[in-house]
Amino acid sequence: DADVTQTPRNRITKTGKRIMLECSQTKGHDRMYWYRQDPGLGLRLIYYSFDVKDINKGEISDGYSVSRQAQAKFSLSLESAIPNQTALYFCATSDLGTGGNEQFFGPGTRLTVL
Amino acid sequence: RKEVEQDPGPFNVPEGATVAFNCTYSNSASQSFFWYRQDCRKEPKLLMSVYSSGNEDGRFTAQLNRASQYISLLIRDSKLSDSATYLCVVSPPYGGATNKLIFGTGTLLAVQP
Repeated sequence: DADVTQTPRNRITKTGKRIMLECSQTKGHDRMYWYRQDPGLGLRLIYYSFDVKDINKGEISDGYSVSRQAQAKFSLSLESAIPNQTALYFCATSDLGTGGNEQFFGPGTRLTVL
Repeated sequence: RKEVEQDPGPFNVPEGATVAFNCTYSNSASQSFFWYRQDCRKEPKLLMSVYSSGNEDGRFTAQLNRASQYISLLIRDSKLSDSATYLCVVSPPYGGATNKLIFGTGTLLAVQP
């Protein structure tokens, strides 16, 4: 079944470490997104990409970078992790061809920065 | 003021009850509206879109009031399996071109046996 997958599912790391979260999709969608979710704050957009050559900042991009290696892959990096980046991270995709408003989410990565 | 505001709940209701959630949005030019469902520690999933004329899907009814800038979700005959967090989601005026969505913080529903 077409799917959005994220690796790792859980990660504990220390302050100052570089971390990469990976997202892959088999839906054939052109648009991909990274969000973080914090209690009481909801989902907030970090970065989004419309295709391999397109990267856009979301509302909370500071401290993060992304790479769209292929249509199916979108990675999120924390260059130097800090404790307030502890959160649940979701990757999502959407398809312009179907109007694009529905987003399909991966299962999430729970990141803890000590 | 938050762009999308919801009562966090929890709403504790018995099985079979009817429950309604409201959500308000701040930008009157917002384009599209949705309800997503998120189970505990799982990913959000689209429950239904919300149309100006209102729409129904089985036990679920969604309404949009553009004049008052709120959307609602009504769940009839609640089931235990309806227990989840319901996210109000709005596409901002520029969102149509970017598919950007603004998520509310969610309303927690707990259906009791």
